[in-house]
Amino acid sequence: GENVEQHPSTLSVQEGDSAVIKCTYSDSASNYFPWYKQELGKRPQLIIDIRSNVGEKKDQRIAVTLNKTAKHFSLHITETQPEDSAVYFCAATYSGGYQKVTFGIGTKLQVIP
Amino acid sequence: SAVISQKPSRDICQRGTSLTIQCQVDSQVTMMFWYRQQPGQSLTLIATANQGSEATYESGFVIDKFPISRPNLTFSTLTVSNMSPEDSSIYLCVLTGQGTGGLSYNEQFFGPGTRLTVL
Repeated sequence: GENVEQHPSTLSVQEGDSAVIKCTYSDSASNYFPWYKQELGKRPQLIIDIRSNVGEKKDQRIAVTLNKTAKHFSLHITETQPEDSAVYFCAATYSGGYQKVTFGIGTKLQVIP
Repeated sequence: SAVISQKPSRDICQRGTSLTIQCQVDSQVTMMFWYRQQPGQSLTLIATANQGSEATYESGFVIDKFPISRPNLTFSTLTVSNMSPEDSSIYLCVLTGQGTGGLSYNEQFFGPGTRLTVL
């Protein structure tokens, strides 16, 4: 089965700096990689995703990159703000048959004002 | 996006008892899953709730402990049986697939969760 590793487990940055979270996956069949943000006491929410036919995707201050050969993908947050403080989960799945989603362990991001 | 509701939102239970959690969706979805999130931990898949048939359980989870029902495409229940303090966790109903509610293929939507504390 799929195995997703995520690091770092915690990350502290100064407001305005960039934050990068990295994940690796094991199953070369995985072709869909979502990222979720979970604020304290709330459910995870999808913030961005990328499919295997794309190397990079950007949405305002958030970007995700994918390297299929190396089986790793990363989340980049620029110009961080205190409201970016949350736990971020990467995930991997194969979209061809409603396969289950495997999540990373999560990264607790703290943005220091 | 789909509207997902879970009941109860939280409960405090005694050791040895059972709790049934309900998940209701406002659109027909193919795939529904039950996840557990223990304090400070990631999301662990318990099982896939199959409509009209037995759920598919992940390694480490068994039907006797976590019986699941899925009578139709909009509703599912998860029971946590013979509870112990180790079962204290948030239980989340998650759905994916393309349904009449216009869900994106393969995007996962999380229910609000049920926070369970076992004393």
